[in-house]
Amino acid sequence: DTAVSQTPKYLVTQMGNDKSIKCEQNLGHDTMYWYKQDSKKFLKIMFSYNNKELIINETVPNRFSPKSPDKAHLNLHINSLELGDSAVYFCASSPTGRGQEKLFFGSGTQLSVL
Amino acid sequence: SQKIEQNSEALNIQEGKTATLTCNYTNYSPAYLQWYRQDPGRGPVFLLLIRENEKEKRKERLKVTFDTTLKQSLFHITASQPADSATYLCALEMNRDDKIIFGKGTRLHILP
Repeated sequence: DTAVSQTPKYLVTQMGNDKSIKCEQNLGHDTMYWYKQDSKKFLKIMFSYNNKELIINETVPNRFSPKSPDKAHLNLHINSLELGDSAVYFCASSPTGRGQEKLFFGSGTQLSVL
Repeated sequence: SQKIEQNSEALNIQEGKTATLTCNYTNYSPAYLQWYRQDPGRGPVFLLLIRENEKEKRKERLKVTFDTTLKQSLFHITASQPADSATYLCALEMNRDDKIIFGKGTRLHILP
């Protein structure tokens, strides 16, 4: 069973559209994250949620809205997509969110905005 | 703010040799440092964590060192194999605030 699964794997869309990426973890972890990896492979944290509460919001445009219906799910909704949003988005989880814990990553969603 | 520097240029190593990757950070010393492996089209996978009071950590053919004076961690793969070819990412806390930031990673190619 996949520990952290995200869908879709690939997402190709036009500028201005709204899209969502879903993430689920079956590890029983309290904390989930969204990271963005750009074309230069730089992995940047966007958000983290602990037990459905927003903990980290890293100066991300408010077109990006995460939603956590329960601690096993963290979805990312993006409004009015822009060319610069093209990247690979990774969901991750950790047991409690303490910094020394290792992160478990999903396999990524490659978003291409045309 | 904290910055992480990894040589993002590809590192080519002959099979069987030891590969050594470097991670430097710029500001305060973190309480711990992590190393991850990332294969193309996949998410990063955790390999090792080393704490500030540990000089060295080993796991099978992997060894990590942590020098808080030099603000540097070295990641070694001994008896390297082509299957070790991947991008290796260094990660640490941004401000002792549980926020983990990543370096850009070093692409490692083990040549048969």
